[in-house]
Amino acid sequence: GAVVSQHPSRVICKSGTSVKIECRSLDFQATTMFWYRQFPKKSLMLMATSNEGSKATYEQGVEKDKFLINHASLTLSTLTVTSAHPEDSSFYICSATRPGQGNQPQHFGDGTRLSIL
Amino acid sequence: QKEVEQDPGPLSVPEGAIVSLNCTYSNSAFQYFMWYRQYSRKGPELLMYTYSSGNKEDGRFTAQVDKSSKYISLFIRDSQPSDSATYLCAMSNDKIIFGKGTRLHILP
Repeated sequence: GAVVSQHPSRVICKSGTSVKIECRSLDFQATTMFWYRQFPKKSLMLMATSNEGSKATYEQGVEKDKFLINHASLTLSTLTVTSAHPEDSSFYICSATRPGQGNQPQHFGDGTRLSIL
Repeated sequence: QKEVEQDPGPLSVPEGAIVSLNCTYSNSAFQYFMWYRQYSRKGPELLMYTYSSGNKEDGRFTAQVDKSSKYISLFIRDSQPSDSATYLCAMSNDKIIFGKGTRLHILP
């Protein structure tokens, strides 16, 4: 069964709205979670690495003030897309690794499809 | 040269056939190799995970890693319509790099 849960699965909202996406590890404590963005027929693009209790590490070109990440507990990381605009519309996916396994293999949530009108 | 190359397909094969999917890569430092299956509008699901070179079998799936050729493969035996999905290869030494995925259609 699923080991990572992501919510919501679908969001449609107006331009300028801030949207929060939750990622939970279901049966293990994930000290590290990852946030990806995926465009149609494209590969997964790592946005940031979320570490429990510390600031997230963002990939080059990802605006940290635009994509706020909070990893307040060992089972929950959140991604907030602030003041979202149509170009932020995409499929956002989180992942987590089990303790002691480093950065792989990663177990993914089912993604959140974000549509900004 | 991209770090990971994967043919996007689509690849269409009849039900029951053996499917061969593959990726090439350029970074010889990669030590961990993975295959994920992704259904439409869903997150990737881990299928196979191997460390270094060699073969690994799990049911109808076999993963092969040839580090000397920088080439990895996933074989699916007795393919089923439910195997129709996008298959992503991924590899890592520290950070994971994903291929673009191959769309596979199994024809009933």
